[in-house]
Order: sequence, then C-alpha cells, then structure tokens
Amino acid sequence: EPEVTQTPSHQVTQMGQEVILRCVPISNHLYFYWYRQILGQKVEFLVSFYNNEISEKSEIFDDQFSVERPDGSNFTLKIRSTKLEDSAMYFCASSVSSLTGELFFGEGSRLTVL
Amino acid sequence: AQKITQTQPGMFVQEKEAVTLDCTYDTSDPSYGLFWYKQPSSGEMIFLIYQGSYDQQNATEGRYSLNFQKARKSANLVISASQLGDSAMYFCAMREGNTGNQFYFGTGTSLTVIP
Repeated sequence: EPEVTQTPSHQVTQMGQEVILRCVPISNHLYFYWYRQILGQKVEFLVSFYNNEISEKSEIFDDQFSVERPDGSNFTLKIRSTKLEDSAMYFCASSVSSLTGELFFGEGSRLTVL
Repeated sequence: AQKITQTQPGMFVQEKEAVTLDCTYDTSDPSYGLFWYKQPSSGEMIFLIYQGSYDQQNATEGRYSLNFQKARKSANLVISASQLGDSAMYFCAMREGNTGNQFYFGTGTSLTVIP
C-alpha cells in the first residue's frame, strides 16, 4: 500500500540552526501539507502546497519556514533558525483532492531544539 | 470559535464493549468533510473514517461508525467490540469545502481499553 514517508524520524539540533525535514508524498497525490504537533497538544496546520506553490499557510508559518518540491517527488520543510518552541512532531501529509478524501500522513519527524 | 471540539480528554472502556467518542464542529460552509484519525503511542496518524456533509447515511468502516447529526453539528465516533489495540489518541478533524486545504483538528481523546 502506498504511503507517505518522512526523514529523519528524529532530529536534535541547537537553537539557531537550520533544519530540513523531508517527505515523499504518495506518487499520484497533488496536494501536500505540513502539520505539527507539540507534545501532548493538538495537530496544527502549517502549510499546504499545490501546483508548486503554497496555497494556504497558517500564522505559525512565518518567515522562518519555507517549503519546496525540488525534484517532483520530495517535499521539504525548512526551518531557517530554529527556536526552542519549534520542538514538535512534524507531519507531512498528502491527498488526491483538496475537496474530498482523507489526508494520508507520514509517520512524523520529531524535532528537538536544545 | 473552535472549529472542532472534543470534550473528552480521556475515556476508558472495557474490552469487547462499545465506546462513543464525542466531536462537535463549527462551520458555516454547507460543504465539508469530517474525519477521524487514530494516533497510537508510536505517533503516526491513521485515518479511520470519513463523513461528507451531504452524505445521507452514517459512515461505517468495520468496527468504526460515525454518528453524524447534522442539525446538532456532531460527528461522534463509535467503536464497537473494543480491542486492546484500540488504546490510542483519537482526533476528530474537519475540512471545509470551499477552501479545502486546511484540516482543523480537535484536541483529541485518549482512549484506554481495559482488559
């Protein structure tokens, strides 16, 4: 069964460092997303991406964050200068359609900022 | 206002019994989708069931069913014949039809199945 894959599964970084989280969405999906979940809290929307551009982003997704799809298969989330409060589980997700159907989530990348 | 409200932070159920996890939602969009996801301790998000706002019948998927009451704006998840492996966090989520991009998640309900 096709699945969304994410790397790394866990990354520890120093505050102020740049981090790139990688995702390979399901191949025939057109819509891609990043969500994050701070430990013990709800899942929060960061950004959605369609047709090689951001279609929607939340207040959390400030200038420190960026996404790109460099090669048609990978979908990356970059945090330029990490802060302690960026520590969270980051989920990549993809879907076939923006109007129907579920999001397929990856297993998450746990980011710990020290 | 919260888009998705889950009022039960934690629930317990005896193995083999049924349990209902509550979810209410808030939207003015006539077209929307409601979803339930399971998050076991390993952390991944597993899709369980979907209900569209125009669906006439309640969705069912195996032991999962969604009790959709449109007038009350509720979308409760019913798990029948609970199993130990059902112990997990359960999130209700909504996608609004016109924008569609953003899923709104509730705060989750932690379900513990007791042997």
